[in-house]
Amino acid sequence: KQEVTQIPAALSVPEGENLVLNCSFTDSAIYNLQWFRQDPGKGLTSLLLIQSSQREQTSGRLNASLDKSSGRSTLYIAASQPGDSATYLCAPSADYKLSFGAGTTVTVRA
Amino acid sequence: NAGVTQTPKFQVLKTGQSMTLQCAQDMNHNSMYWYRQDPGMGLRLIYYSASEGTTDKGEVPNGYNVSRLNKREFSLRLESAAPSQTSVYFCASSPMGANTGELFFGEGSRLTVL
Repeated sequence: KQEVTQIPAALSVPEGENLVLNCSFTDSAIYNLQWFRQDPGKGLTSLLLIQSSQREQTSGRLNASLDKSSGRSTLYIAASQPGDSATYLCAPSADYKLSFGAGTTVTVRA
Repeated sequence: NAGVTQTPKFQVLKTGQSMTLQCAQDMNHNSMYWYRQDPGMGLRLIYYSASEGTTDKGEVPNGYNVSRLNKREFSLRLESAAPSQTSVYFCASSPMGANTGELFFGEGSRLTVL
């Protein structure tokens, strides 16, 4: 059974700082890994999808890296803004299913 | 663009009552999923349907049944609700399955069982 851990559970930073969110998973036999954003009371929005053959994926201020062999992924958010405040979840996929971590709740202070 | 639509958004049940959560997607996706989200536990897969006509158990299927009515619709039924089923339920869909593509989520259905 895939176990996904996200550290830290919560993070508070001043506006403009770079964010580093960590995700680790126990089973390295994955097909891809997705990062999601969840706003309070809302559903999940996909941010980035990294295929198992890729080392990183970028979208605007977001960059995600994947080290499949060590079971780790990191989401970097550059120059954080108050609008980045949300919970971020990582989810590796295997056997047509995603397994989710509990998430990192980010607060960006203006 | 509707995407993934879930109904109802909120529901309160008494222990032992039954209900069905409805989910529909308009993106012509093959795969659909039902997850539940509880505080501090992340999302856990209840059931999924890799393609029309197939359904499979996920991590926490006990107390639930599903129906893939057609390619668009995937419903989740609670036959006899229990307080442990108080949760937020999310439906999701994917074009080719979680192994190859993104998942798109609905806004969630918040269920309270008294």
